[in-house]
Order: sequence, then structure tokens, then C-alpha cells
Amino acid sequence: SAVISQKPSRDICQRGTSLTIQCQVDSQVTMMFWYRQQPGQSLTLIATANQGSEATYESGFVIDKFPISRPNLTFSTLTVSNMSPEDSSIYLCSARDQLNTEAFFGQGTRLTVV
Amino acid sequence: QKEVEQNSGPLSVPEGAIASLNCTYSDRGSQSFFWYRQYSGKSPELIMSIYSNGDKEDGRFTAQLNKASQYVSLLIRDSQPSDSATYLCAVSPSGTYKYIFGTGTRLKVLA
Repeated sequence: SAVISQKPSRDICQRGTSLTIQCQVDSQVTMMFWYRQQPGQSLTLIATANQGSEATYESGFVIDKFPISRPNLTFSTLTVSNMSPEDSSIYLCSARDQLNTEAFFGQGTRLTVV
Repeated sequence: QKEVEQNSGPLSVPEGAIASLNCTYSDRGSQSFFWYRQYSGKSPELIMSIYSNGDKEDGRFTAQLNKASQYVSLLIRDSQPSDSATYLCAVSPSGTYKYIFGTGTRLKVLA
């Protein structure tokens, strides 16, 4: 299984600022994903990060708010822009190599916006 | 209709009993199914994957898949207090790499 390192593990940010979350995988993977998990809720997919092309966003999420980079097959970043208290959540990075293989998760980033 | 549905629970079982967790999905063409366990404050960890109809066993865990009924389940035998967690069902819709997660079932194993 892939080992995924995500940082920061937590942060407290002022509203109106931006935070970039980094995700590093210990092996090359085809697909990387970014999820949000509100307290007591399940995981909601924000976007799929494709290497060499723009990310694919799910309904309700837009690139201006959540810009994503995927410069190579082992690394991705998610930026939460112009933050408001409603963005307080856990953000999770996930990676998967091929169809019919499992996805693994980073440790998550607990974001609090004040 | 939600794409992946689970009973949110909590499901309480006594120690040593069998816990049965259920999940239904809407995309009939889905090919990949997964169960994750998530402890409070932690990220999800993979327990089981299943791709074909029938049962798949791994230690105390058995995943069951019925594509005709669009139903996947997880059985935990000899439940332990350490199994107390939220169990997330994930489905990979046909032709995609992404996972869609259910809302999760919170399991409490009573000592």
C-alpha cells in the first residue's frame, strides 16, 4: 500500500486568507483525490487531481475556491482560498493507482477558520 | 437518491457477537466496492475490497457483494471493543477512478 504524507496536520487561519495543503505519496500513482469531511459527516469528494492536466471538480466545488496542483505523479496540493468559517473542516488527500485497486488516505488536515 | 446509502447507526453489539453492516448503491455499473474503518479524529483505513459477487473473507471480516440487488455488506465476527468506529462503504462508479462514500455506520461494541 502507498504511504501518503499530508501537511499541515492542523491549522488555525484568519478569514479571508488562504491555506495550501500538501500531499506526498511514496510511490507514483495515477490518481489523487481531495476530500472534505465536515464534523460528524462522511467524506465529500472535492476534486480529482490529474497529472499534467487540470483537476476535475465535483458539483459544488470550483477552481477559484479550491485550486489544485499536480506537478508530478507523487505530489499534489490543495489551496483553500479566501477562507470563511464555513471552510472549517478536515481535508483529506487520497491516492489510487489503477482501477480495481484500493485507495489510501493521508492523515488529514484539520482546518479551523476564525 | 443518494448514490451510496448506509444506516448511520449507532449499531450496538455485545463483545463477541457478529456485527452486520449494510450498504446499497445506485450505479448498477459499479465494479469496485470497499469498506473503510475510521476512528474518531483519524483518517479512513481500508479493511476490505470486493469486486465479484459472493463472499470475501479476511480474518474476522467478511465482505459480501450482490450486484443484482446493488448491495454490499460487511460482517465482523467476534466483535471487540476496539472495533468500535465508523465504517464507511465506498463505491467506485463504472468507468471512473473516484470513490463515492456512504454516510458511514457508527459501530459500538459493548464490553
